[in-house]
Amino acid sequence: GENVEQHPSTLSVQEGDSAVIKCTYSDSASNYFPWYKQELGKRPQLIIDIRSNVGEKKDQRIAVTLNKTAKHFSLHITETQPEDSAVYFCAAPRGGADGLTFGKGTHLIIQP
Amino acid sequence: EPEVTQTPSHQVTQMGQEVILRCVPISNHLYFYWYRQILGQKVEFLVSFYNNEISEKSEIFDDQFSVERPDGSNFTLKIRSTKLEDSAMYFCATQGDPGPEETQYFGPGTRLLVL
Repeated sequence: GENVEQHPSTLSVQEGDSAVIKCTYSDSASNYFPWYKQELGKRPQLIIDIRSNVGEKKDQRIAVTLNKTAKHFSLHITETQPEDSAVYFCAAPRGGADGLTFGKGTHLIIQP
Repeated sequence: EPEVTQTPSHQVTQMGQEVILRCVPISNHLYFYWYRQILGQKVEFLVSFYNNEISEKSEIFDDQFSVERPDGSNFTLKIRSTKLEDSAMYFCATQGDPGPEETQYFGPGTRLLVL
């Protein structure tokens, strides 16, 4: 099955700076990589996803890059704001089976 | 925008008791999932369900767990005899189209506390 590793576990950045969270996956057949944002006590919310036919996708201040050769993908948040503070999870399909395998999460802290 | 809903939001139960967690999927979604998240840990897949039967289940989903869609609307997760280690947040997720590349939408979760 799929194994997803996520780093760092905690990331603290100054407001206005950029944040980068990285994930690696094990199953070379995986071709869909979503990122979820989870605020304290709330549901995971999909913020961006990427499919393997592209190497990068942007949505305003958020971007995701994918390197299929190296089997890693990254979330980039530019011009960070206080409301970006949350736990971010990367995920990948469960090795050809149903459902998603999640990374362990990154607690992003935006310092004012 | 349509959302997945779950009830109850919180449930406290005694060890050994049965609990039923309920989920109302987004209308027209046919693919359903249950995940759990132990406090401070990652989200873990439990089971997927389509066409009134289980498609996949993880090693966490043992004989104490069952799922069904009894009335064509609610999708339920039953834990027959709860254990202390079942304490977690349980999320339902639904998907509109088949395949591992399709987006899953999560409900707000049920926080289960087993005493």
